[in-house]
Amino acid sequence: GAGVSQSPSNKVTEKGKDVELRCDPISGHTALYWYRQRLGQGLEFLIYFQGNSAPDKSGLPSDRFSAERTGESVSTLTIQRTQQEDSAVYLCASSLGVTPGLNTEAFFGQGTRLTVV
Amino acid sequence: AQSVTQPDIHITVSEGASLELRCNYSYGATPYLFWYVQSPGQGLQLLLKYFSGDTLVQGIKGFEAEFKRSQSSFNLRKPSVHWSDAAEYFCAVGARGGGNKLTFGTGTQLKVEL
Repeated sequence: GAGVSQSPSNKVTEKGKDVELRCDPISGHTALYWYRQRLGQGLEFLIYFQGNSAPDKSGLPSDRFSAERTGESVSTLTIQRTQQEDSAVYLCASSLGVTPGLNTEAFFGQGTRLTVV
Repeated sequence: AQSVTQPDIHITVSEGASLELRCNYSYGATPYLFWYVQSPGQGLQLLLKYFSGDTLVQGIKGFEAEFKRSQSSFNLRKPSVHWSDAAEYFCAVGARGGGNKLTFGTGTQLKVEL
């Protein structure tokens, strides 16, 4: 597609339920990132996929959070047993990947606004 | 660990006035530095980035930023603000080799008075 696509755009869920958030990166982008943006805050890094390498999960806040990516395509972020503090906008970004010593621009999706009630 | 401080939560300027948004970072080596803009209903858009070389970088929409190593700063500037520049601006720092795994500041909300 033309840009990074995320679905759903909005999700309201009850505390304790599991949710899945989807990200379709730009075609050909090997790197994919998930970030979380809480109200009035900057973005917090969650997880990073680069090609077939093991993902960098260093930003995941708890074991209730997990993410998968199939090849260089769609990624799914799953939050189990949601809590009210999980309410945030979850942003996905993709880029052409990383060359040592050189970075490439990340393109962000519109995000999924998650509200846990 | 790297960190970013944006000391101004809100800034209001008149249309046509100059703008400077402050950003200070903490990082043990020469960082990658970025400014992003987030408008209502829009995704984040990259304004400019610094990797190396000339410390004054030009970006889109008439923005520029200057990397000052001695002050650990990367302030964003625009000589004449337009009403359409009203948005939230985020400074971010990345580690070399870390791709777009970035640490973001908390943002500065810019309001433009007509």
